[in-house]
Amino acid sequence: DSGVTQTPKHLITATGQRVTLRCSPRSGDLSVYWYQQSLDQGLQFLIQYYNGEERAKGNILERFSAQQFPDLHSELNLSSLELGDSALYFCASSGALGTGELFFGEGSRLTVL
Amino acid sequence: DQQVKQNSPSLSVQEGRISILNCDYTNSMFDYFLWYKKYPAEGPTFLISISSIKDKNEDGRFTVFLNKSAKHLSLHIVPSQPGDSAVYFCAAIAAGGTSYGKLTFGQGTILTVHP
Repeated sequence: DSGVTQTPKHLITATGQRVTLRCSPRSGDLSVYWYQQSLDQGLQFLIQYYNGEERAKGNILERFSAQQFPDLHSELNLSSLELGDSALYFCASSGALGTGELFFGEGSRLTVL
Repeated sequence: DQQVKQNSPSLSVQEGRISILNCDYTNSMFDYFLWYKKYPAEGPTFLISISSIKDKNEDGRFTVFLNKSAKHLSLHIVPSQPGDSAVYFCAAIAAGGTSYGKLTFGQGTILTVHP
């Protein structure tokens, strides 16, 4: 158990819809990261928040947005969903900023039909 | 543009033998490399890392080798155990980046260790 909690674990929705994925980091971790893993692909970095502020951005689509709340949990909002958005979305957290050692949740599997 | 490549989608090894997983990268700005292991229905778990100032890092049965001139790293598992069966991801971080959590991952290699 990494200590990172993601909900929901599975989500099935239709094209054009909007969903919200939620992540609770490990106790005490200030950084939250979101990664996307599409079929047969490695994990793709989407975005990082540190103590409520956006810290780094990857190739995150404009239809996607995220935020980190004062209690440090984070939400990833995906809107105008397309078939290609079907993927595993991982949240990770870390305490120190400089090690690259991330603690990943179990992921949220999104299926867009 | 795949900056981190794991060209072997799968590897099968007998228990007790050595497993060698390979990873190539193209970005010269990468200066820190990590291996993660992932079991089904779980998130990736950090395994071992290496800084570009080193060419080897060892942790128990796991050793990572880095060849900067060839832009190649490898993970050696000796001896391999059935519990090592998992997907292994190579990842890299670029020097001077804004975030040490902004990892660039390879596609992963499925390791199967047979009893």
